[in-house]
Amino acid sequence: KQEVTQIPAALSVPEGENLVLNCSFTDSAIYNLQWFRQDPGKGLTSLLLIQSSQREQTSGRLNASLDKSSGRSTLYIAASQPGDSATYLCASDSWGKFQFGAGTQVVVTP
Amino acid sequence: DTGVSQDPRHKITKRGQNVTFRCDPISEHNRLYWYRQTLGQGPEFLTYFQNEAQLEKSRLLSDRFSAERPKGSFSTLEIQRTEQGDSAMYLCASSLAPQPQHFGDGTRLSIL
Repeated sequence: KQEVTQIPAALSVPEGENLVLNCSFTDSAIYNLQWFRQDPGKGLTSLLLIQSSQREQTSGRLNASLDKSSGRSTLYIAASQPGDSATYLCASDSWGKFQFGAGTQVVVTP
Repeated sequence: DTGVSQDPRHKITKRGQNVTFRCDPISEHNRLYWYRQTLGQGPEFLTYFQNEAQLEKSRLLSDRFSAERPKGSFSTLEIQRTEQGDSAMYLCASSLAPQPQHFGDGTRLSIL
């Protein structure tokens, strides 16, 4: 059974610092891995999706890498802003079997 | 693109009652997913449909839970004989495979 772990559970950084969020998974036989953002009381917003054949995806200040052999994905957020404060979740898709991590709660202080 | 819509946003009911939630996906999306989320946890996968076919169903989905997507458009999730442990946020998502999933804002269920 796939297990997805996100460490740390919470993170606080001053505005302007780069954020590094980690996601690890036990079964490397994944179809893709997706990163999401969740604001309190809301649904999830898709940030980046990395197909299993890809090594990274970029969108603006966000960059996500995928290393299937080591079972890791990393989300980098450059030059953090207070508006980046949210919970960030990763999810693996193993051909119809979806597994989320518990998320990393991020606070960016002005 | 009006986004994924879920109804109701909040549902409060007494233990033992049946509840039904509705999800309207983004119109051209062929896949529809249901998840359950409790406080401080990531969403737990319940089931997903490709068009009207239910392709995968989690063991979390006990006999009291049933989901339908009769015409491959909207979907309903019914919980019979609700229990305290059913209190959670129920999230729906849709996608046009293999594109990313788009989530609704969820239905928060509270069992008294």
